[in-house]
Amino acid sequence: NAGVTQTPKFQVLKTGQSMTLQCAQDMNHNSMYWYRQDPGMGLRLIYYSASEGTTDKGEVPNGYNVSRLNKREFSLRLESAAPSQTSVYFCASSPETSGIYEQYFGPGTRLTVT
Amino acid sequence: AQSVTQLDSQVPVFEEAPVELRCNYSSSVSVYLFWYVQYPNQGLQLLLKYLSGSTLVKGINGFEAEFNKSQTSFHLRKPSVHISDTAEYFCAVRYPHAGKSTFGDGTTLTVKP
Repeated sequence: NAGVTQTPKFQVLKTGQSMTLQCAQDMNHNSMYWYRQDPGMGLRLIYYSASEGTTDKGEVPNGYNVSRLNKREFSLRLESAAPSQTSVYFCASSPETSGIYEQYFGPGTRLTVT
Repeated sequence: AQSVTQLDSQVPVFEEAPVELRCNYSSSVSVYLFWYVQYPNQGLQLLLKYLSGSTLVKGINGFEAEFNKSQTSFHLRKPSVHISDTAEYFCAVRYPHAGKSTFGDGTTLTVKP
């Protein structure tokens, strides 16, 4: 099992460019999440998806869109990147069933917007 | 609203000394509690969790945590740390049926030789 995979690992964008961060899990988990991590601010939830076809806003959704393409994949799109979106982005998944609520994280995508 | 507070942003400690990383949460109902560890340039991984039952929870790498309902705390402890325990540690809280967890800001544990 690969667990949670994220692509790309690193990305540099210019202000105003767009890009999509990809995430996939092979554990048949129901829920998937996108976080950003900034120094001293912990993890902040951007969007999450409790099941295929559903998405909900988290704490910091502005400037982002998501797609739960199927049970395995959950992508994060930046339509017009801004320097404030420079961060490390983590995708996570969780069974969210049968008493298993912990999250499994991918290795992260380090994004720089200049 | 769910909130979780990690009381120390940085904890330096010498190798083989004991350590406690403190976590408090706000809730008037039962919650699920987690500790995660993040090594440099990696994602988070689960250390231990409390869902119900025994208030003393044992996790990986010799860590344990104690759930204290009256003090709404879930402090993480290890009796003797190693250099390899240097990492960032996150406490997280989840209400039943919430569908998502709230993470604290993290505590950086630095173990010195």
